[in-house]
Amino acid sequence: AQKVTQAQTEISVVEKEDVTLDCVYETRDTTYYLFWYKQPPSGELVFLIRRNSFDEQNEISGRYSWNFQKSTSSFNFTITASQVVDSAVYFCALSEAPPTGANSKLTFGKGITLSVRP
Amino acid sequence: DTGVSQDPRHKITKRGQNVTFRCDPISEHNRLYWYRQTLGQGPEFLTYFQNEAQLEKSRLLSDRFSAERPKGSFSTLEIQRTEQGDSAMYLCASSEQQDEQFFGPGTRLTVL
Repeated sequence: AQKVTQAQTEISVVEKEDVTLDCVYETRDTTYYLFWYKQPPSGELVFLIRRNSFDEQNEISGRYSWNFQKSTSSFNFTITASQVVDSAVYFCALSEAPPTGANSKLTFGKGITLSVRP
Repeated sequence: DTGVSQDPRHKITKRGQNVTFRCDPISEHNRLYWYRQTLGQGPEFLTYFQNEAQLEKSRLLSDRFSAERPKGSFSTLEIQRTEQGDSAMYLCASSEQQDEQFFGPGTRLTVL
């Protein structure tokens, strides 16, 4: 069975601080995908990134960066120079990636509520 | 190109009533997923379609729940004899094959 643990429940920072959101996952699959989604107060989940288990290179996109470490089963997300607009609930998720292209339902963590204060 | 749309956005019903939600996926996305999200939790998978075929149902989907995607385009999720425990946000997502899933705004159900 797949499991995603986001141990932090709420984080509060002051604008311009850097913040890291932790994600630890469990899976027996040899190939899988990892995701981060953002859920702002409006409620709609916004896709941020998808990472294949074969690719352990860190990724940077603007102020966002992701650190994937297979050895520790972690996929952490860092926001640099946080802004008030970053305030949202952030979900880490996991799906299998079978070569047959079968179902890829997402298993989500419980989410981390990030509050960025001006 | 428009995103995933869901209707209604909010639904308040009395216990025991039936409700139906609709999801319109992104055009040409052949996969459609339903999830349920309760307060303070992440979304939980309910069921998924590839085109018109319903390929998997979670054990969370009791016999009172039924989903259809008759022509491989829009989908409906019906809950019969609603219970207070059914109160949640019902989310729909669509994707192409194993690409990332794009979510709609959700339907918030309140059962009184």
